[in-house]
Amino acid sequence: AQKVTQAQTEISVVEKEDVTLDCVYETRDTTYYLFWYKQPPSGELVFLIRRNSFDEQNEISGRYSWNFQKSTSSFNFTITASQVVDSAVYFCALRKTSYDKVIFGPGTSLSVIP
Amino acid sequence: DVKVTQSSRYLVKRTGEKVFLECVQDMDHENMFWYRQDPGLGLRLIYFSYDVKMKEKGDIPEGYSVSREKKERFSLILESASTNQTSMYLCASSLVVYGTDEKLFFGSGTQLSVL
Repeated sequence: AQKVTQAQTEISVVEKEDVTLDCVYETRDTTYYLFWYKQPPSGELVFLIRRNSFDEQNEISGRYSWNFQKSTSSFNFTITASQVVDSAVYFCALRKTSYDKVIFGPGTSLSVIP
Repeated sequence: DVKVTQSSRYLVKRTGEKVFLECVQDMDHENMFWYRQDPGLGLRLIYFSYDVKMKEKGDIPEGYSVSREKKERFSLILESASTNQTSMYLCASSLVVYGTDEKLFFGSGTQLSVL
């Protein structure tokens, strides 16, 4: 069975602090895809990143970075120098193939305090 | 700009009513999905569709049905609404390109309250 765990329900940080959101996944498949989505207060989820299981390179996009480690089945997301606009609920997700359903984690609510 | 539109942002219905939630996408996507979002549970898949007139059950289909008569429209139907169906409902769509993984595009959601 596939499962995504985000152990942190809520996180609060002060603006400019770095913060890491944890994601641990379970799957028996060798080929799979991992995602992060952001849900701001407006409600519409926005795609942030996709990573396939064969690509363990870490990725950086501006203040965002992602650390994918197959050995620990983790796909963690770090925001450097957090800003108030980063306040949102962040979801980690897993999918087996292009024709399979996406499994979402419970989400982590991040509050960045000015 | 890509767009997934859900017909209502807020909806209040009474127990036993038949409820229709509409979703339209303008991106010619094959795949469409209905999720419900509840605090602490994340997003749970209700139904999805990979083509017109085609539907597949997700993880929590009980009490729901769907209709996809046209490619751009995917409707979620609550045959007899119950209070435990009070939730945020999210529609999403995605484009399938062989060998290329797709991402989901979401609507803004419909907050349904069943009284």
